[in-house]
Amino acid sequence: EVQLLESGGGLVQPGKSQRLSCTASGFTFSDYAMNWVRQAPGKGLEWVSVISGDGHDSFYADFVKGRFTISRDNSKNTLSLQLTSLSAEDTAIYYCVGGSTFFDLWGHGTLVTVAS
Amino acid sequence: SYVLNQPPSLSVAPGQTARITCGATNIGSKNVHWYQQRPGQAPVLVVFDDRDRPSGIPDRFSGSNSGNTATLTINRVDAGDEADYYCHVWEHSSVVVFGGGTKLTVL
Repeated sequence: EVQLLESGGGLVQPGKSQRLSCTASGFTFSDYAMNWVRQAPGKGLEWVSVISGDGHDSFYADFVKGRFTISRDNSKNTLSLQLTSLSAEDTAIYYCVGGSTFFDLWGHGTLVTVAS
Repeated sequence: SYVLNQPPSLSVAPGQTARITCGATNIGSKNVHWYQQRPGQAPVLVVFDDRDRPSGIPDRFSGSNSGNTATLTINRVDAGDEADYYCHVWEHSSVVVFGGGTKLTVL
């Protein structure tokens, strides 16, 4: 069974950092480009970042502005997102998503709440 | 930046047809993908590459794309189709754009 399991969410203070992880199983992880997509409470989907299957290429949405870093470890089937300089506007469910053109693999998400 | 325009909401009676649009300049030149998100759940891909369906998606779901409008069509709508629907394209090879989403209500 294909599974993406996110972790690392929680309550974090403004200006602080948080690291999200996603563990993949049931498919050949290195064959898939992986993404992070977020969804603020009551809002729509917002793409955050993508990393190629071999980890050599990564791209970010404009709003990231150098604050987030995506990475992957294909030996451990894990995807990560390092969040820094967090603000209340970053409060959202963060989904780990597989796919290079369309997104056919979705985790259940991990909630990051930025508040003092 | 490239903007995808979706109607915020659409109401359809059971058994009728829902047509959810996604508008943008020359969207017909891009591949459009559609996702269904039921309340409290993660999104699910329902149409990819304008008109193809993943395995397990009923053939009541179909897509089209031409000119400045892509459309997701759901035939014979039932209560289980009540959800938010999002269109998605790649603005260029490295940036993803989602539409704002359409909330489908089954009357």
